[in-house]
Amino acid sequence: AQSVAQPEDQVNVAEGNPLTVKCTYSVSGNPYLFWYVQYPNRGLQFLLKYITGDNLVKGSYGFEAEFNKSQTSFHLKKPSALVSDSALYFCAVRDIRDDKIIFGKGTRLHILP
Amino acid sequence: DVKVTQSSRYLVKRTGEKVFLECVQDMDHENMFWYRQDPGLGLRLIYFSYDVKMKEKGDIPEGYSVSREKKERFSLILESASTNQTSMYLCASIPGGTGNTIYFGEGSWLTVV
Repeated sequence: AQSVAQPEDQVNVAEGNPLTVKCTYSVSGNPYLFWYVQYPNRGLQFLLKYITGDNLVKGSYGFEAEFNKSQTSFHLKKPSALVSDSALYFCAVRDIRDDKIIFGKGTRLHILP
Repeated sequence: DVKVTQSSRYLVKRTGEKVFLECVQDMDHENMFWYRQDPGLGLRLIYFSYDVKMKEKGDIPEGYSVSREKKERFSLILESASTNQTSMYLCASIPGGTGNTIYFGEGSWLTVV
């Protein structure tokens, strides 16, 4: 069965510093991987996805993520954090042989001014 | 832009009441999903549907049912609401095929008293 792990409940980063939000996954076949962001009292907004091809994926708001097949990871990164990046971030995986999409438990990102 | 609309943002219901949560998408997507979101547990899949009148159980279907009579509408039903069903409910849709992005509604906050 597919699964997603976000090992950190919360990440604190000073404004202007680089940030990383970690995600590891487990699927039987080839994965489709996604990152979503949620602001307070809102639904989830799509940031980026990996389907195939280049392991470094660029997305919205300056975020990027690196697919690492050997480590089964898909960490979210940004070179310089903004206070407005503070939100809840979710990693998700979809097995290409299945219609289900499974989400991690989420990581709350705090950017400190 | 894809729009997924959840008609009720905030509901308060009494224990034992029958509750309907409605979701409509305007992009002719084949697949629709209902998740519930709880602090520390992330998003958990309740039910999903890959076609009209078709439904599949997710990870936590107990206490819930769904209805999909038209392609654009996917309803979540709580036959007899209980306090442990107090949660944020998120509807989502995605086109058929592989590698597509999932789109979320704004969420429905349900409180059962």
